[in-house]
Order: sequence, then C-alpha cells, then structure tokens
Amino acid sequence: DTAVSQTPKYLVTQMGNDKSIKCEQNLGHDTMYWYKQDSKKFLKIMFSYNNKELIINETVPNRFSPKSPDKAHLNLHINSLELGDSAVYFCASSDTGLAGGRNEQFFGPGTRLTVL
Amino acid sequence: GEDVEQSLFLSVREGDSSVINCTYTDSSSTYLYWYKQEPGAGLQLLTYIFSNMDMKQDQRLTVLLNKKDKHLSLRIADTQTGDSAIYFCADENQAGTALIFGKGTTLSVSS
Repeated sequence: DTAVSQTPKYLVTQMGNDKSIKCEQNLGHDTMYWYKQDSKKFLKIMFSYNNKELIINETVPNRFSPKSPDKAHLNLHINSLELGDSAVYFCASSDTGLAGGRNEQFFGPGTRLTVL
Repeated sequence: GEDVEQSLFLSVREGDSSVINCTYTDSSSTYLYWYKQEPGAGLQLLTYIFSNMDMKQDQRLTVLLNKKDKHLSLRIADTQTGDSAIYFCADENQAGTALIFGKGTTLSVSS
C-alpha cells in the first residue's frame, strides 16, 4: 500500500507549456506539502495545506498554483514552464495531531520534471 | 532567518562508524529530525529527537543534541554499503508548521 503517491514519476515538456503533478496520501493526514529539490539536492518547501487551507506559501512564482480538492489530495499546477523549473518535486504529508506536536512527514517518490 | 547547515560529503569504509553533523539557528524547535534519501527515492524519516533530550539511541543509530551549541549529530555504527545515501537534518520553523532542511550530506560507503 503506497502511503504518499505522485503522478507522473517523470515529466518532460517544452518551455512555455502548462503541466500538473498530482499527489495523494492514504494515511489520513491533515497536512500536505510540496517541496522542490534542485540539481544539487537542496530541498526547499514551496507550499503547505492543512485541511485544504493554504498555510505556507513560500516565495514561489505565481506560475505555480497548488490545489487541494480534499484532505487526501494536493495537486501542483505550473503555467508557462521555464528551464529553471527543472527539478524533482516531492509531495509530503503529516498528521499535526501527533502527541507532542511532532511534525513527522512522509514523502512521495518524487516527480522529475525536465523542461526543454 | 532560520537556517540548517550540514557538510555536503562524507566518505567511510564499510564497518567504520559514520558521524554526520548539523547546526541549526532556530532554538524553538520541539523536535529535530534526520531523514535519509536513497537514489531515485523520496525522503524517509530515520529518527528524531525531542529537544529536551541530549541523546537517543536506535539500533545502529545514535543521535546527539547539544542545544547550547545548536548542534545535532547522527552516528551510524558499523556502516554498511546499504547506508550509502543522502542524509538530511531538519528542524521546525518557528510556527511549527514546516520543516527546514539542511542541504544534505552524501554518505559514500566503500567496501
């Protein structure tokens, strides 16, 4: 049983196109995240949703728009793709109700986006 | 701003101990975490430590926390080739709503 799944695993597209990445978690968690990992493996948070409400929106171009149709899904839509958007995008989820407030995040396998 | 720093590379021989170090700036974290990323995969939580503890042991893993110096370390005893991966240190942001990750330490284990 996959806990956090993302589709697609690989995405190759031309500059200027619009694309979406989907994420689903079956852990019953109330918070979901999108991270970007660049070619040097540096990991940076982009967005966070708690119970479908946006709670973190880091300095990300507004070409990136997250959408959470329900607690178990957080999709990422990217408009007008640029070369610099090439990266691996990770979805994660956590349960903010954990005892002691531990923020234990479960990660998806990643989506490798290549913009040509 | 909040920052987490780690050295980028560590190379050890199989059977040796590995020690990965991390420093952080935000002292308000309730927990600090170590994640492991194997090639082509997502991050997996390895272990965590409550900020009121100074040590936690979990099989081959030992986490040491020096709150005064804001220093966290992960020791892997009897390192195996399967331990080759990137190890990320993380602490919590001030609001407790997100994790701040270090740049990751690539551990290379040679036989």
